[in-house]
Amino acid sequence: GAGVSQSPRYKVAKRGQDVALRCDPISGHVSLFWYQQALGQGPEFLTYFQNEAQLDKSGLPSDRFFAERPEGSVSTLKIQRTQQEDSAVYLCASSPWVVASPGGSYEQYFGPGTRLTVT
Amino acid sequence: AQSVTQPDIHITVSEGASLELRCNYSYGATPYLFWYVQSPGQGLQLLLKYFSGDTLVQGIKGFEAEFKRSQSSFNLRKPSVHWSDAAEYFCAVVRAAGNKLTFGGGTRVLVKP
Repeated sequence: GAGVSQSPRYKVAKRGQDVALRCDPISGHVSLFWYQQALGQGPEFLTYFQNEAQLDKSGLPSDRFFAERPEGSVSTLKIQRTQQEDSAVYLCASSPWVVASPGGSYEQYFGPGTRLTVT
Repeated sequence: AQSVTQPDIHITVSEGASLELRCNYSYGATPYLFWYVQSPGQGLQLLLKYFSGDTLVQGIKGFEAEFKRSQSSFNLRKPSVHWSDAAEYFCAVVRAAGNKLTFGGGTRVLVKP
């Protein structure tokens, strides 16, 4: 079946512009995550949705970052007034599980990412 | 707060040679542990995971990892590397009853012919 898709794959924005990044999760997946991966680093958690509810946004670096998942499927990460430090790959992941349990079946499925370059 | 350390930023290995990537975690209890691989332009792909039980876990593409509680380590190994294994490898953890992944900084593997 189809995996997680993200669009656009590449985005160049001038400093100060607003951008919107889209994530199409695997159909039926309850959980959706956004991660930010700076160059040469591992991904870092931004925010988490369970269906349409944003349950954790502790990783969002500033109030310029906003995410939504209005119908519990597609999600959009919006960055307002982009800054150079926002340049990174933004990864979306989905999962059919809500939490990791001793059953051991927990897994997140990642999209290819959107590479954002702010000039 | 939990953290993950991958001490080796780059590793170069000859094709056919063995590979071992190190991962150490810091957490109050045993978290659940994962290894992911990221090829250029690709998303993260899960290689293997450890939740409980046998401390030696087998994954895809001929990889295995060993959990050592006493050393807080979860090292990844492959007996014989193929050129297609050139990629970046990430160790990650999630706490029990949690869901967000905490990643290490990654190890980039270069395979020499």
